[in-house]
Amino acid sequence: DAKTTQPPSMDCAEGRAANLPCNHSTISGNEYVYWYRQIHSQGPQYIIHGLKNNETNEMASLIITEDRKSSTLILPHATLRDTAVYYCIVRVAGSNDYKLSFGAGTTVTVRA
Amino acid sequence: SQTIHQWPATLVQPVGSPLSLECTVEGTSNPNLYWYRQAAGRGLQLLFYSVGIGQISSEVPQNLSASRPQDRQFILSSKKLLLSDSGFYLCAWSLGTPLYEQYFGPGTRLTVT
Repeated sequence: DAKTTQPPSMDCAEGRAANLPCNHSTISGNEYVYWYRQIHSQGPQYIIHGLKNNETNEMASLIITEDRKSSTLILPHATLRDTAVYYCIVRVAGSNDYKLSFGAGTTVTVRA
Repeated sequence: SQTIHQWPATLVQPVGSPLSLECTVEGTSNPNLYWYRQAAGRGLQLLFYSVGIGQISSEVPQNLSASRPQDRQFILSSKKLLLSDSGFYLCAWSLGTPLYEQYFGPGTRLTVT
């Protein structure tokens, strides 16, 4: 699976949009971009995934650049409950590799 | 809707004692099941996964074992705990190929003393 690079931390004001970047410059054509988050002392939570088109669900939006070398997770109206470590992962479609390889992620702190 | 349960939530065990952690999934059939461990301040490490009853794959050699006696039940065990077994143990499930997202349980925090 391609390696990802994320900033170690970022702050966000409550009610504002949080834009979380992820670089995956070695991504291959059959690798999807996934985002998970882990709130302190809880299990990771799936957020969203995409291949090349932008995706949106009730939690967030995922914007993938045209060359697919980077992406941005957008939390449209951050709340204090969005404070968590956010992980960007790329995985091959149809792979037999069952494990999710979480890197260090970005620690997002939402401030009132 | 699907739910995943783990118990106990916290556990303190002495070195050399046995371990049994249980995970059950409701609301789905034939899920893939996973055991992960997260040591303090570190990332997730996949320990075991299972694609069906009685089918267990181990990712890393260790002091632990896993079993899947029923379709939606996954058990993590040890005969003799080590100090290094301390950590946050997470069970997860998914459907279909590994492409599909994994859903995690609330976790068990194990402290070996």
